[in-house]
Amino acid sequence: QSALTQPRSVSGSPGQSVTISCTGTSSDVGGYNYVSWYQQHPGKAPKLMIYDVTKRPSGVPDRFSGSKSGNTASMTISGLQAEDEADYYCSSYAGRYTLLFGGGTKLTVL
Amino acid sequence: QITLKESGPTLVNPTQTLTLTCTFSGFSLTISGVGVGWIRQPPGKALEWLALIFWDDDKRYHPSLKSRLTITKDTSKNQVVLTMTSMDPVDTATYYCAHNSYYCTSTSCYNPWAFDIWGQGTMVTVSS
Repeated sequence: QSALTQPRSVSGSPGQSVTISCTGTSSDVGGYNYVSWYQQHPGKAPKLMIYDVTKRPSGVPDRFSGSKSGNTASMTISGLQAEDEADYYCSSYAGRYTLLFGGGTKLTVL
Repeated sequence: QITLKESGPTLVNPTQTLTLTCTFSGFSLTISGVGVGWIRQPPGKALEWLALIFWDDDKRYHPSLKSRLTITKDTSKNQVVLTMTSMDPVDTATYYCAHNSYYCTSTSCYNPWAFDIWGQGTMVTVSS
């Protein structure tokens, strides 16, 4: 089982939208609707932003949204804010009671 | 309010066994649908899931590390312990514990395999 594939970096200006992709296989991302997204600021613990592909935990702004098509999941951040600058990780259930994380994407707010 | 905190050695010699403790509050591991997991992150690298223990003592491990990992719980102390044998410098990482729980709809309950609350993490260096 390999890690899920994410772009190493993405960037956008304040107010713009950015989308981060997370590509797996039919055995993980494509096979289950158990994709999550985490935000991690430097030196901090990850924070759950999206689960079940599209759901937001209480307290997460609706600027964050998730989707999935085939073996690729995506998270879109609209109305970018400076505080959104962070590393983002996707994860997916991979069957047989295992979980995979993506390689992480560094978001820069220009 | 759910909180978790990791504790353990900051430095481990190669070949030794690492023992980490996650002490939590705000929930009980005796309640159906609750779990605690361990995730690690080498410096500057990605997250890696290690293990997950559920309220019913069901235990799940990363396939590649299964032979080296043991996860246990002590519900009287609200603690989850992770042991990892044969430590190597490549195991140098920040180790996190995190809360997991089943979600229930009107018809069924399921585990989304998401970690909604994380501890602050503990850095472990493997070096002689």
